[in-house]
Amino acid sequence: QVQLQQSGPGLVKSSETLSLACTVSGASISGYYWSWIRQPPGKGLEWIGYIYSSGSTDYNPSLKSRVTISEDTPKNQFSLELSSLTAADTAVYYCARHNSAGAFEIWGQGTMVTVSS
Amino acid sequence: DIQMTQSPSSLSASVGDRVTITCRTSQSISKFLDWYHQKPGKAPNLLISAASNLQSGVPSRFSGGGSGTDFTLTISSLQPEDFATYYCQQSFTTPYIFGQGTKLEIK
Repeated sequence: QVQLQQSGPGLVKSSETLSLACTVSGASISGYYWSWIRQPPGKGLEWIGYIYSSGSTDYNPSLKSRVTISEDTPKNQFSLELSSLTAADTAVYYCARHNSAGAFEIWGQGTMVTVSS
Repeated sequence: DIQMTQSPSSLSASVGDRVTITCRTSQSISKFLDWYHQKPGKAPNLLISAASNLQSGVPSRFSGGGSGTDFTLTISSLQPEDFATYYCQQSFTTPYIFGQGTKLEIK
């Protein structure tokens, strides 16, 4: 059974950089697409970006200048960095695995991140 | 970017009712349309992939249809556990975009 376990801080300061990790168990990260998605309180879902096991990435243009997604194959995990944080970045952040049709079939538990001034 | 229009934004229904949620895209996405439901405090859960492929473990009362720009999610007989928020999402091209959501509430 594939599981995604997220880790990282729940409170970060404005203008700083958020770092979250997603550790995969029950499957290798190789050969799959892995995404980060976020959801501001009471609002809808926003795709942040993905990484493919070869290390190739694609980001939402709305966040591209501030986002880096990377992978650590030995640790079987991938990570998100989001820089220059503002209050608008306050959200629940999720990691997820894509299925062969591109849908997000498996999700992490979510991390509530609050950006404080 | 592809625009998603999901309707209705909220829906009140009773156990046993048949309900349909629609999703329209601003350009053709073939069948690259997925449906999720989400309960408060939980991650979204994939129900249907590629417009009509029911995910393993999802009850058969859920069905999806459509192609091109118009898609539907139908629940044939609502059960108490189905009251949640539903989202469509296009997986045709990046940036992947979600619909605004439909909150399904008990009448």
